[in-house]
Amino acid sequence: KAGVTQTPRYLIKTRGQQVTLSCSPISGHRSVSWYQQTPGQGLQFLFEYFSETQRNKGNFPGRFSGRQFSNSRSEMNVSTLELGDSALYLCASSSHGQGSTEAFFGQGTRLTVV
Amino acid sequence: GESVGLHLPTLSVQEGDNSIINCAYSNSASDYFIWYKQESGKGPQFIIDIRSNMDKRQGQRVTVLLNKTVKHLSLQIAATQPGDSAVYFCAVGGTSYGKLTFGQGTILTVHP
Repeated sequence: KAGVTQTPRYLIKTRGQQVTLSCSPISGHRSVSWYQQTPGQGLQFLFEYFSETQRNKGNFPGRFSGRQFSNSRSEMNVSTLELGDSALYLCASSSHGQGSTEAFFGQGTRLTVV
Repeated sequence: GESVGLHLPTLSVQEGDNSIINCAYSNSASDYFIWYKQESGKGPQFIIDIRSNMDKRQGQRVTVLLNKTVKHLSLQIAATQPGDSAVYFCAVGGTSYGKLTFGQGTILTVHP
C-alpha cells in the first residue's frame, strides 16, 4: 500500500509570491490534514478536509487555504508569501470518521521564502 | 485551550537500555493519543496509538501507557537501538475534526 505522497519536496519562493503544495493520501483515506512545522512553534494544525469539505481550521491567516478533490487528493495554497512562512509543510492522511484513529504523514514539503 | 507538553526535551540512553518518554495533556475530553518518531529530513512516522478507553497498549518493542486521572501518557521503548535515535512526539486527538495537537518533542539519543 503506497504511503502519503507530498509534492514537491522542496520549494524556494520569493516574498509576495504564492505557492501550491500537493498531497496524495493513502488509498481509501478520506481525511487529509495539513500542518506547519517550524523550530519555534513545532507542529501546528492548519486545516482538515474530509470528502471535499473543510471540517476544521487552525489559527492561520486567510492567506493559507486549501481544497480537496473527489479522489481525496488535497492541495494547500499560500498567497502573498512572507519570510515567516518558511517551514516544513506536512499532510496527514487518516480514516478518521471511518473508525480509525491512525494518522500517517507524508515526507513534507520544505518551503523556503527569500 | 488545549495543550500538550513534554517533561524532558532530551533523553540519552545506552544501547540496550529501556527508554521512557513522557507526555502530559490538558484536555480531559481527548479521545485518542498517538506517538510519532521523526528523523531528520523526514515526516513523522506513526509508532503506536491508544484510545482513551484503554490504559495500556503494546507494539513491537514499544508500550504506551495512558493515565487519564493525571492526564499523562508515556512511551516505553525496550532494548533501545541506535536506529531509535530521533525526535519523538506525542499527539492528542478527538476533540476537533482531524486535528492533532502535538507536544514539543523529545530528542532521544542512543549511544552504542
